[in-house]
Amino acid sequence: QSVLTQPPSVSGAPGQRVTISCSGSSSNIGAGYGVFWYQQLPGTAPKLLISGNNNRPSGVPDRFSGSKSGTSVSLAISGLQGEDEADYYCQSYDSSLSAYVFGTGTKVTVL
Amino acid sequence: QVQLVQSGAEVKKPGASVKVSCKASGYIFSHYAVHWVRQAPGQRLEWMGWIVPANGNTKSSQRFQDRVTITRDTSASTVYMELNSLRSEDTAVYYCARGVAVAGTDCFDPWGQGSLVTVSS
Repeated sequence: QSVLTQPPSVSGAPGQRVTISCSGSSSNIGAGYGVFWYQQLPGTAPKLLISGNNNRPSGVPDRFSGSKSGTSVSLAISGLQGEDEADYYCQSYDSSLSAYVFGTGTKVTVL
Repeated sequence: QVQLVQSGAEVKKPGASVKVSCKASGYIFSHYAVHWVRQAPGQRLEWMGWIVPANGNTKSSQRFQDRVTITRDTSASTVYMELNSLRSEDTAVYYCARGVAVAGTDCFDPWGQGSLVTVSS
C-alpha cells in the first residue's frame, strides 16, 4: 500500500533547483511523526539524506534541504549536479497501519 | 565506523525458505533496533519488520506477518531475517538497517549492502 505519494520523476539542468514532494495523511506526516529522505544511487543501498526537521547527517551537502507543510513534505536540491542523479524516497511511520512506510520514489535526472 | 554487513545472494525454489543475516559493528548492538526492508526489481522500498536486540521483541508488517521471522544473536551482534513459503514475487534485494529514534519514530541509518534473493523454479 502506497501511503506516501511522490512524483515518479523530476529533472533539471546542472545548477538548477528542483523539488520533490511527498504527500501523506493525518495518520503519518500529519500526525507529527518524523519524516526522512533517502538517496539511492544506481545499484546501491539507500543512504539517509535528511532526518526529521531538515537535519542533514554529516557529509550531506547543504544543497539538500527539507520542509514540511501540513500532511506533505518536500525535498529541495539546489545547484543540481550530475552526481545527484538517483532515486529519492521519503519515509515516515503510519499509526493506522502500525508500520513504517516509504514514498513511491522519485527519479531525479540531470539534463 | 558503524557498519552492517549482510550475507550473500541466494537462489531458492518456490515454497522454500531463506534466512538472511546482518552483522553489526561500530556501535553498541543492544542500543538500536534493526529493521528489514526489501526492494523488488524496479520497485519502491517496502518495510518488513524490526527487532529490538536488547530484549528480542519483534514487530512485522501485516503483509509479511505470517511468513517472516526476525531473530538475533547478541553474542555475535547479528540479526537474522527468515522468510518462508517463498514465491516468485519475493524476488528482491533485502536490506537491514539500523533504526535511529527521531521525532517519535525511527529513521534508517546506516543500511547494509543488501542481499539479493531470487525465487525461481
